[in-house]
Amino acid sequence: DAKTTQPNSMESNEEEPVHLPCNHSTISGTDYIHWYRQLPSQGPEYVIHGLTSNVNNRMASLAIAEDRKSSTLILHRATLRDAAVYYCILTNAGGTSYGKLTFGQGTILTVHP
Amino acid sequence: DAGVIQSPRHEVTEMGQEVTLRCKPISGHDYLFWYRQTMMRGLELLIYFNNNVPIDDSGMPEDRFSAKMPNASFSTLKIQPSEPRDSAVYFCASSFSRANQPQHFGDGTRLSIL
Repeated sequence: DAKTTQPNSMESNEEEPVHLPCNHSTISGTDYIHWYRQLPSQGPEYVIHGLTSNVNNRMASLAIAEDRKSSTLILHRATLRDAAVYYCILTNAGGTSYGKLTFGQGTILTVHP
Repeated sequence: DAGVIQSPRHEVTEMGQEVTLRCKPISGHDYLFWYRQTMMRGLELLIYFNNNVPIDDSGMPEDRFSAKMPNASFSTLKIQPSEPRDSAVYFCASSFSRANQPQHFGDGTRLSIL
């Protein structure tokens, strides 16, 4: 399975944008890029996913590099409730790995008031 | 809408006892996943089902662990006999089968084996 690399931790101030990077240099053409987050004492929560084009939803935006070897999760205005561990995960739509999420260590986001 | 429901939320038991964790997936979802989270190993996939059939159990640590899905609305993860190293948070998740549909996670069961 293709691997992802994320910084161990990042900090932000409330109301400011946050850009969470993810490197995935061995991504294959059929790998989707997923982001999940895990708030304290809760299960992981889906944030966003994409294949090639940038994606927006009510929670965040996903910017995917043209060569797809990296991506960035963008929280437009961080709130204290966004403090969580953010996971960048590659999934393949077919084959034996269908549907499987392989979680790495993620990025711990701290948001300061 | 009801999300994925797990029970119990907390379980404390003594080594050697049988432990049964329960999960009710979101209605209509045909994939169900069991994960385990520890400080040392992070979040690991243990087993997953499609239409009640186990598809991949390669993450199940050993024969003491077993999982069943007798119908579309219920699954169990059983540990017998339990050991202190099984202490962890166990999560259940479910999803639709269409490609790359998000997984919806329950709040987990925090298991402590004394």
